Amino acid sequence: GAVVSQHPSRVICKSGTSVKIECRSLDFQATTMFWYRQFPKQSLMLMATSNEGSKATYEQGVEKDKFLINHASLTLSTLTVTSAHPEDSSFYICSASVSGGPKTQYFGPGTRLLVL
Amino acid sequence: SQKIEQNSEALNIQEGKTATLTCNYTNYSPAYLQWYRQDPGRGPVFLLLIRENEKEKRKERLKVTFDTTLKQSLFHITASQPADSATYLCALAVGQAGTALIFGKGTTLSVSS
Repeated sequence: GAVVSQHPSRVICKSGTSVKIECRSLDFQATTMFWYRQFPKQSLMLMATSNEGSKATYEQGVEKDKFLINHASLTLSTLTVTSAHPEDSSFYICSASVSGGPKTQYFGPGTRLLVL
Repeated sequence: SQKIEQNSEALNIQEGKTATLTCNYTNYSPAYLQWYRQDPGRGPVFLLLIRENEKEKRKERLKVTFDTTLKQSLFHITASQPADSATYLCALAVGQAGTALIFGKGTTLSVSS
């Protein structure tokens, strides 16, 4: 149980284009989903927290107009990187937590974004 | 300033030995602490959670301790196997209702046969 999927697993795009990444909880309802970014040999950096049906809460230094998050249902959250630039190239990982109890997070497999 | 540190970037041990990984933190008061495993190019996988009022937690060959006075957690893998080779991440639950996780950089464990 507690499986989280991400799509796509890998994407290459041109500078200036927008990229959408989907995060789905497959066998549970996730009241809260999280988006992280990870650079090589670095820790996961929390970008934003999203609760179904409400606006995402962004961490300091993360541009909400550049990284658009939509959490339309209890099983789906999307991250759109708008007007992507090479410095946005990174490994993006989502996670979902189950309502009630300790907030263990179940992570997706990640999406590798390369902006040329 | 707030910091979470994992003692070393890399740890190399022989198969069968016990691996001990350390996580230290400053200026946090976490409600609980979690350990995750991450393989290259993959998302983290949850291993163990320990609450602030628990001293020790075990799961099969894994053992976690949590000392809120020392602000330290130790993660042990007994009878280590080459398949245990991965990066292990320590994460603190902070923020309102402990919903946000702050991760350490991780320790990459290599178990040689």
